[in-house]
Amino acid sequence: DAKTTQPPSMDCAEGRAANLPCNHSTISGNEYVYWYRQIHSQGPQYIIHGLKNNETNEMASLIITEDRKSSTLILPHATLRDTAVYYCIVRVDTGNQFYFGTGTSLTVIP
Amino acid sequence: GAGVSQSPRYKVAKRGQDVALRCDPISGHVSLFWYQQALGQGPEFLTYFQNEAQLDKSGLPSDRFFAERPEGSVSTLKIQRTQQEDSAVYLCASSLATSGQETQYFGPGTRLLVL
Repeated sequence: DAKTTQPPSMDCAEGRAANLPCNHSTISGNEYVYWYRQIHSQGPQYIIHGLKNNETNEMASLIITEDRKSSTLILPHATLRDTAVYYCIVRVDTGNQFYFGTGTSLTVIP
Repeated sequence: GAGVSQSPRYKVAKRGQDVALRCDPISGHVSLFWYQQALGQGPEFLTYFQNEAQLDKSGLPSDRFFAERPEGSVSTLKIQRTQQEDSAVYLCASSLATSGQETQYFGPGTRLLVL
């Protein structure tokens, strides 16, 4: 599976949009981009995933560049409860396990 | 319905003891995964089951680690002769089917501390 690169930490003001970048320059055509988050002392929580089209759900939006070498997770109105470590993962369609990196630690500031 | 549950949530073991960690996946989920998460790191894959068959155990760090899922539902991760380096959070995840697109749902984890 392709390696991902994320900034180790980010801050965001409460109520503002949080934009979390991820580079996956070696991604292959059949690899999906997944985002999970992990709040302290909890298991990872699924947020969203996509292949090449932008995706939106009740939690977030996923913007994937046309060349698919990078993506951005957008939390439109960050709250204090969004403080967590966010993992960007790329995964082959026929693969099984996820390969987590060290993620981005997002702190939402009041 | 209920999510993935794990027990115990916390386990303290003396070095050399054997431990058993339990995972109850979401009902009907075919695939089950175990991950190990060291402090400050992301989860790392240990092993994968499809129903009762263990299809991938490439992530198990040593032969002291053993996992089973005899009836294709509940799974147990056993660690024999625990060492201090085994201290970590052990996460279990399940997914509905076997397609690579299937979302994995994680339990809260078991935090193991080996003294």
